Amino acid sequence: QLQLQESGPGLVKPSETLSLTCTVSGGSVSSSLYYWGWIRQPPGKGLEWIGHISYGGNTYNNPSLRSRATIYVDTSKRQFSLRLSSVTAADTAVYYCVRLTVAGTRFDPWGQGTLVTASS
Amino acid sequence: EIVLTQSPATLSLSPGERATLSCRASQSVSSYLAWYQQKPGQAPRLLIYDASNRATGIPARFSGSGSGTDFTLTISSLEPEDFAVYYCQQRSNSITFGQGTRLEIK
Repeated sequence: QLQLQESGPGLVKPSETLSLTCTVSGGSVSSSLYYWGWIRQPPGKGLEWIGHISYGGNTYNNPSLRSRATIYVDTSKRQFSLRLSSVTAADTAVYYCVRLTVAGTRFDPWGQGTLVTASS
Repeated sequence: EIVLTQSPATLSLSPGERATLSCRASQSVSSYLAWYQQKPGQAPRLLIYDASNRATGIPARFSGSGSGTDFTLTISSLEPEDFAVYYCQQRSNSITFGQGTRLEIK
């Protein structure tokens, strides 16, 4: 059974870069059937798609983030990562890593999520 | 960007009752719509994809319908564990989520 686990700092200073890694167990990121992505949820609010990546490195990002988000995949480590630059308090959220079908019709499974707070 | 509008914002029902949740898209998304359930402190869980297909392990009391701009998630007979927040999601044009419907115990 595929499982995803986020890791990374829980506190980031404003203007700095948020970095998170998702480790995949029970499966491989080297599949042409799936993308690997990130979704976030500010406290008490709804879900926002950040972006996703194919095992070959093709990326798709939410235009609302104005190119601040970069997603990488490391097939040898079974990991993919998110970097979000120039963070502000508005980037405070629970960040989830997810698997997405290539057809894009569903996110499944989800990691448990990790809270990242942007504060000095 | 396609906007998904969910209604109602909050739905108050009792166990055993039927729940009907709506998701309306600002333009057609064909059948590229999914539904998720989120309980407090947990990650969302996929319920329905491609508008009407139940995900693996999802009970038969959950069903989805619709196409184009109007979609419905129906829970035929509410169980205590079904009270949660429900989100719809489309991928026809970029990827967006609805704002959620909170299903609470009456």
